[in-house]
Amino acid sequence: SQQGEEDPQALSIQEGENATMNCSYKTSINNLQWYRQNSGRGLVHLILIRSNEREKHSGRLRVTLDTSKKSSSLLITASRAADTASYFCATRRVDTGRRALTFGSGTRLQVQP
Amino acid sequence: NAGVTQTPKFQVLKTGQSMTLQCAQDMNHNSMYWYRQDPGMGLRLIYYSASEGTTDKGEVPNGYNVSRLNKREFSLRLESAAPSQTSVYFCASGAGFNEKLFFGSGTQLSVL
Repeated sequence: SQQGEEDPQALSIQEGENATMNCSYKTSINNLQWYRQNSGRGLVHLILIRSNEREKHSGRLRVTLDTSKKSSSLLITASRAADTASYFCATRRVDTGRRALTFGSGTRLQVQP
Repeated sequence: NAGVTQTPKFQVLKTGQSMTLQCAQDMNHNSMYWYRQDPGMGLRLIYYSASEGTTDKGEVPNGYNVSRLNKREFSLRLESAAPSQTSVYFCASGAGFNEKLFFGSGTQLSVL
């Protein structure tokens, strides 16, 4: 089963608005990462937040992590048409034998110009 | 730097045929991975290699084999392709288990 689940599955907003995507996971993690995928392309790393961190910023991106609720959110501020893509959270689990990244099913973001 | 290079970009196979997907990275990374992505879904891990000379099964290894040829190269082999293996395959590499991954551009595979 999927370790990370993104919510919503799809999001459509107007340019200039903020976009918020959520990720929930099931087991204890070392870190949580967010990736972006443009249509027909490979994934590109956006930001990594470690289990002992609560918030992290990178440009227009803000990521929060709540380990007690096993959830994370990705906020994209002042969105642009070029932000249209799928966004995936990925977790690095700590349980034995699961040392590779596990990806969620993604949020498809459409930013209307 | 080229990053992670996958070949081929597209491939059509008939059921029962075999093929090898090639992946090479030029970032001196220890870890390499093969994922598959089906429509509307996230990535599922097929196999990974923590370092040269080691490989481990991921979530969906059945029907696949891998070879970590050296530190740069990690290949994925389909011995007898099945329609259920129609997917987009991504290779990725990382400096270590707790670091970010770099992805190739993918191989779109269709098995008829």
